[in-house]
Amino acid sequence: AQTVTQSQPEMSVQEAETVTLSCTYDTSESNYYLFWYKQPPSRQMILVIRQEAYKQQNATENRFSVNFQKAAKSFSLKISDSQLGDTAMYFCASAPKGTSGSRLTFGEGTQLTVNP
Amino acid sequence: DAGVIQSPRHEVTEMGQEVTLRCKPISGHNSLFWYRQTMMRGLELLIYFNNNVPIDDSGMPEDRFSAKMPNASFSTLKIQPSEPRDSAVYFCASSTVGNYGYTFGSGTRLTVV
Repeated sequence: AQTVTQSQPEMSVQEAETVTLSCTYDTSESNYYLFWYKQPPSRQMILVIRQEAYKQQNATENRFSVNFQKAAKSFSLKISDSQLGDTAMYFCASAPKGTSGSRLTFGEGTQLTVNP
Repeated sequence: DAGVIQSPRHEVTEMGQEVTLRCKPISGHNSLFWYRQTMMRGLELLIYFNNNVPIDDSGMPEDRFSAKMPNASFSTLKIQPSEPRDSAVYFCASSTVGNYGYTFGSGTRLTVV
């Protein structure tokens, strides 16, 4: 079983500044994936970044990076040089790795507002 | 690639009516997922298929809900009879088995009055 917890329902940041969104998870799986998804007001779910648990190097995608602390079961998302278009709901999610497609388990979400 | 295609985008129906939501996954993806999103419960997995076979339907709320995947390019989620508490956004997502690049459709906003 997997659980994902996001303890920050809302956050705000000034344009061009850096913000970090928190996520903790629990899983009995030995290997798994972790994800951050973005949901803007258009409601489209957009994959922001993905991390394989067995990889120690933190994933990076342009202005987005993660701080993956496996022992602490923590997976935070850092957004650098925040832009107005980053305003959205952000969901942390996990999925066990296996030979078959597996379910994504989502956290509650963090509403991020970027202020001009 | 057109992505995951869901229809309709919006649906308003009266309580007791049958509702059918449709999904076309990305070509070549062999895992398909149906999620429901509400303010109260967040994103919940309803059911998922691998290679057109239902693997886990434990999230289907009750017998009023059914899902089918008759072929690799089409899936339906049916609610019969619909109730106001079924009002939500329903997402379809697809993935390549083992790839974990889940791609979501734009969702169907269902309102049952």
